[in-house]
Order: sequence, then structure tokens, then C-alpha cells
Amino acid sequence: AQTVTQSQPEMSVQEAETVTLSCTYDTSENNYYLFWYKQPPSRQMILVIRQEAYKQQNATENRFSVNFQKAAKSFSLKISDSQLGDTAMYFCAFMKHVSGGSRLTFGEGTQLTVNP
Amino acid sequence: DVKVTQSSRYLVKRTGEKVFLECVQDMDHENMFWYRQDPGLGLRLIYFSYDVKMKEKGDIPEGYSVSREKKERFSLILESASTNQTSMYLCASSSPTRTNTEAFFGQGTRLTVV
Repeated sequence: AQTVTQSQPEMSVQEAETVTLSCTYDTSENNYYLFWYKQPPSRQMILVIRQEAYKQQNATENRFSVNFQKAAKSFSLKISDSQLGDTAMYFCAFMKHVSGGSRLTFGEGTQLTVNP
Repeated sequence: DVKVTQSSRYLVKRTGEKVFLECVQDMDHENMFWYRQDPGLGLRLIYFSYDVKMKEKGDIPEGYSVSREKKERFSLILESASTNQTSMYLCASSSPTRTNTEAFFGQGTRLTVV
């Protein structure tokens, strides 16, 4: 089974600074997708960014970017110019297609606090 | 916008009761998922389904079953609720055939078993 590991249970950053959240995963697959989701106190899971494994170029979405290292099975999230609204639980997730469908597995989560 | 709706936001049930958690999505997604979320453990996959009447066990299926009679609806069933099933339950849906394959989530059901 695929496993996803987030080794930082909690992190904090000052407003306007940059922070990097780590994620590693274990798989024997070659084609898969990776995601970062954000869960604010409202509990609604929100997609932050996605990366297709076949793409070498790292994905970016405004202040959010990833460092995808396929050989190392590493997928870190960098948040630039941190804002108070970025305070949330962040989950790394791995998806592969199986038997016509998809299996989606999550890490343990990192609680990020942005301080004023 | 994609909408995934879970029938209850909060639920309190007694030990031994049969509990149904309902999830409906409106985007014609093939895949649907049930997770439980516990502090420090992240989201753990209970069951998933990629078609009507099809189901696959996730990582923690014990004590749960599921039903998918219609494409838009995926139900999680606790046959005999126990206190260790007190948790947050999240439903999600996705499509493997579209450009954007990410999952969309419901708002979660916080279940307390007393």
C-alpha cells in the first residue's frame, strides 16, 4: 500500500515570510498524482496545488509552489509571503488509478500557524 | 461549482446503534471516498468506490460497510457503533477521466458515539 508521511506535526511562520512543508511518499508506481490540501478551522478541505508525476516541471499557484523530487519521492510545499489566512492544517495526498478508479491516500497533516 | 454534501454536520449515537452517513455529489464523478480524520493520524481511507455497486476496502474497513446504489450517492454504514468510532468523517468524490483529477470534499460529519 502507498504511504504518505508528513514529519512536521506543527510549524509556525511570521507573516510575510516563507515556509516549507515536507512530504515524502512510498510507491512503486510510475504514474500518479500528488496534491496539497488545506483545511482551515471551518473544516472544509480546499485544494492548494496538484502535481502530475509525469511532469518534471514543479507546479506553482500564486504564492504556493512545490519541489517535486520523483527519484527521492519527496513533495514539499513552499508558501511565500505568508498571510494570516494561511493558518490551517495542510495535508499531502497521493493518488493512483486502480481498476478503473482511483485510490487517494493522505499524510498525517501539518498544522501551520502564521503569526502577525 | 462541484458540490459534495454530507447529510449531517454533527451526530450523536448510542453504542450498538446502526448508523448511516450519507454523501451526495452533483458532478457525475465516478470515484467516491470515505475517510475518518483523527488528530495526529490524518485522513485514513475507510472505503472507496469507482462505480455503482462497486466498492474497495481502504486501510481501515473493519467495523464499516458501504453502499453505492446510485452514482451520486455513497453511504457509510456503522453496523454496530462503538465508542472508538467517535471521529470526524469526510466524504470526497473525483473523476479519473478528467483533466483535473483532484478530489472534492464534503463539510464533514463529527460523529460522537456514547
